[in-house]
Amino acid sequence: QQQVKQSPQSLIVQKGGISIINCAYENTAFDYFPWYQQFPGKGPALLIAIRPDVSEKKEGRFTISFNKSAKQFSLHIMDSQPGDSATYFCAASINNFNKFYFGSGTKLNVKP
Amino acid sequence: NAGVMQNPRHLVRRRGQEARLRCSPMKGHSHVYWYRQLPEEGLKFMVYLQKENIIDESGMPKERFSAEFPKEGPSILRIQQVVRGDSAAYFCASSPQGYDTQYFGPGTRLTVL
Repeated sequence: QQQVKQSPQSLIVQKGGISIINCAYENTAFDYFPWYQQFPGKGPALLIAIRPDVSEKKEGRFTISFNKSAKQFSLHIMDSQPGDSATYFCAASINNFNKFYFGSGTKLNVKP
Repeated sequence: NAGVMQNPRHLVRRRGQEARLRCSPMKGHSHVYWYRQLPEEGLKFMVYLQKENIIDESGMPKERFSAEFPKEGPSILRIQQVVRGDSAAYFCASSPQGYDTQYFGPGTRLTVL
């Protein structure tokens, strides 16, 4: 049973466009939701994270939108650049246990 | 401050051999996590350790896999009698307090021939 479901599996966006990746979860005990960026051959790097007490968090061109009632959260990348081309993973954890459940990943390709 | 270090970066083993993967957490971090990533898939939690203690091993296969994080030295993930299905990227992450952000290493890519 997959705890966190991520879509789409792959995404192609033109340079300057908005990339949107969605995740959904079932376990209402989750209270920490990070997004990781992974380049080929590298480890995941933390991009941005949110806790359920806020509905949105923005850092530069990256924004997380969080809908607690729908149990969904999404990553928006504004003004997408070719350098953003990577695989993005959402994750969720329960604070005290700190075991991350990862989505299956979205491969983003930003066309120049 | 150096990041999480893992070695080797690539490891090739024949079926039946043992694989030892090492992880040195970031300076000041005493919590270590191991994840496995199969090709084109997300990361799957394996085990969570603190110094000299296994906190959660619910993601570890029941046989052939073991992990340790001794008082001195790196954390070790050990796979005995490897099989082809063990071929994957194994990532280690560390955190300072155990309830916050995890920082990932570059991974060890294990290939079983």
